[in-house]
Amino acid sequence: GIQVEQSPPDLILQEGANSTLRCNFSDSVNNLQWFHQNPWGQLINLFYIPSGTKQNGRLSATTVATERYSLLYISSSQTTDSGVYFCAVGNAGGTSYGKLTFGQGTILTVHP
Amino acid sequence: EAQVTQNPRYLITVTGKKLTVTCSQNMNHEYMSWYRQDPGLGLRQIYYSMNVEVTDKGDVPEGYKVSRKEKRNFPLILESPSPNQTSLYFCASRPGGGWNQPQHFGDGTRLSIL
Repeated sequence: GIQVEQSPPDLILQEGANSTLRCNFSDSVNNLQWFHQNPWGQLINLFYIPSGTKQNGRLSATTVATERYSLLYISSSQTTDSGVYFCAVGNAGGTSYGKLTFGQGTILTVHP
Repeated sequence: EAQVTQNPRYLITVTGKKLTVTCSQNMNHEYMSWYRQDPGLGLRQIYYSMNVEVTDKGDVPEGYKVSRKEKRNFPLILESPSPNQTSLYFCASRPGGGWNQPQHFGDGTRLSIL
C-alpha cells in the first residue's frame, strides 16, 4: 500500500515563529488532507489539497503531486496551534475509493 | 448539534470478552470510517463504509468486524479482543461525493484489553 512519511517528527517553537511541516508519499494520489489533533485529542480537518495551494488564515498548504509531497505552513504560530498534525492520502480506484492512509504525525509545541 | 457520538469513551476489559463500540452520526452522512491511533504510528484505518450495507477493509481490519445496517450507525465489534487491540479509536463520517467534503470525528474511545 501507499506509504506516508511526515517530517519533522517533533517541532518546538516560540510563539510568533513560522514553521513548515512536510508530507512525502510513495505513490500518486488524488486525495490529500491535513488534520490537526489538539491537546485534548480532538481531530479537525484543515485542508483537502490533492494539488495546488490553499490558504486559511495563518495556515496554508501546498501539494506538488508530481513530486509526491505536500507542505503545511504555519505563520505567526500561537499556543493554540500546539498538537499533532497529520497528513493523510488516498488514491481512488475501484473499491479503494474510501481508503485513507495517515502519516505518523508531527508533534508541534508552541511556547508562549 | 451536528456530531459523531462514540460509546463508551473509556473501557477496560479482559482478553476474549466480546465488545462493541458504537458510533452514531446525526448528519445523514453516507460515509463512515473507523480508525485506531497508536503512539508513533499515527491513525490507521480499520474499516470504512461508503453507504448502508457497503463496507470495506482499511489497512488494519484483522480482529475487527463492522456492520452498516442503517445510515446513522456504524458499530465496531471486537469478537475476541486481545491486548494488541489496546488503543484509542476514532469514528468519523462525511457526506458522500468525495474527499473534498470534510470528515467529522467523534471524541474517541480508549480501550484497554488486559
